[in-house]
Amino acid sequence: AQSVAQPEDQVNVAEGNPLTVKCTYSVSGNPYLFWYVQYPNRGLQFLLKYITGDNLVKGSYGFEAEFNKSQTSFHLKKPSALVSDSALYFCAVRPQTGANNLFFGTGTRLTVIP
Amino acid sequence: NAGVTQTPKFRVLKTGQSMTLLCAQDMNHEYMYWYRQDPGMGLRLIHYSVGEGTTAKGEVPDGYNVSRLKKQNFLLGLESAAPSQTSVYFCASSLWATDQPQHFGDGTRLSIL
Repeated sequence: AQSVAQPEDQVNVAEGNPLTVKCTYSVSGNPYLFWYVQYPNRGLQFLLKYITGDNLVKGSYGFEAEFNKSQTSFHLKKPSALVSDSALYFCAVRPQTGANNLFFGTGTRLTVIP
Repeated sequence: NAGVTQTPKFRVLKTGQSMTLLCAQDMNHEYMYWYRQDPGMGLRLIHYSVGEGTTAKGEVPDGYNVSRLKKQNFLLGLESAAPSQTSVYFCASSLWATDQPQHFGDGTRLSIL
């Protein structure tokens, strides 16, 4: 069975500090991995994805994520947090074969403190 | 440049009433999805479609029906609404299923009294 875990419901970070939002996954075979962000009263917006190749992927708004196959993790990172980064972040996974849909984590609320 | 548009944005129903949520996309995407979002549970897939005229069940399909008569539209129906269906409903679309990101609408907030 496919599953995604975001172990932290809430992450607080000071503006200008680096941020990390954690994600681990369980999937049959190789995964496609995604990060989405949700602002209040809005739908999810795509940030970045890992398909294959370089384990460090770069996405929108200065975010990046590191794929670690041995630890089955795909943590979201940003070197310097902005107050405007405060939002709800979702990790999602799809196996490369055998499924047409994404499996989402339960979300992590990021608050950047001025 | 509308992307994915959901109507209505808000609705309040009484138990037992029926309604249809409409999703429209203008990106010529093949795949469309309906999710529900509940606090602490992330997004759960209700139904999805891999092309015009097709539908398939997702993780939580009971109590919902869908139709995809036109490629750009995906309708979600509640035949007899129940309080457990109070949620925020999101529609999404993607070019295809594998490595393509999904594009989401802004949601429909549905309350069942």
